[in-house]
Amino acid sequence: GDSVTQMEGPVTLSEEAFLTINCTYTATGYPSLFWYVQYPGEGLQLLLKATKADDKGSNKGFEATYRKETTSFHLEKGSVQVSDSAVYFCALVMDSSYKLIFGSGTRLLVRP
Amino acid sequence: SAVISQKPSRDICQRGTSLTIQCQVDSQVTMMFWYRQQPGQSLTLIATANQGSEATYESGFVIDKFPISRPNLTFSTLTVSNMSPEDSSIYLCSVGFGLGMNTEAFFGQGTRLTVV
Repeated sequence: GDSVTQMEGPVTLSEEAFLTINCTYTATGYPSLFWYVQYPGEGLQLLLKATKADDKGSNKGFEATYRKETTSFHLEKGSVQVSDSAVYFCALVMDSSYKLIFGSGTRLLVRP
Repeated sequence: SAVISQKPSRDICQRGTSLTIQCQVDSQVTMMFWYRQQPGQSLTLIATANQGSEATYESGFVIDKFPISRPNLTFSTLTVSNMSPEDSSIYLCSVGFGLGMNTEAFFGQGTRLTVV
């Protein structure tokens, strides 16, 4: 079935370091891809999305590019801040569906 | 957008008992969902809560274990029945708009359940 695989955490970085969180997917068709973020004590929030191959989603300095050839949607940020400390979830949804399929989440800890 | 309030935020329960989790949304929504996140695992969809009819359960989840109510377009409850330690998880309420590429989902802060 359709699935999402994320790199295991936690990922610990110093402030201003470069961030990559890997995400790959398996899908029978052409999904839309999402990154959600969960800050401590809060619900999941949509961070960015991409709906077709080669699309780049971006928000708050984060970027991810939909790579059909490698079935990947890696999350990147050039310079992380302490306030970026959170759990990040990669997810997909198939066309004509409302059911989000999530990866296991990656915890990011940014130290001052 | 939608603001979702879940109660309780956490609880510690004895095995064999039941816990009801409440989800309140600040606007009327058609689609409401309940997810489970077991320790170190993905979010897994339990069921879709349908207003005015029975919930639609995903494979591996049954109504006797996870009865759901949806009395109106802004409120839903999930009950975890006859709990065992394996039910220790975070349970999240979600509301959704759109399909496929137009999907937008909003989440409550979750209920962290520990069964002892």
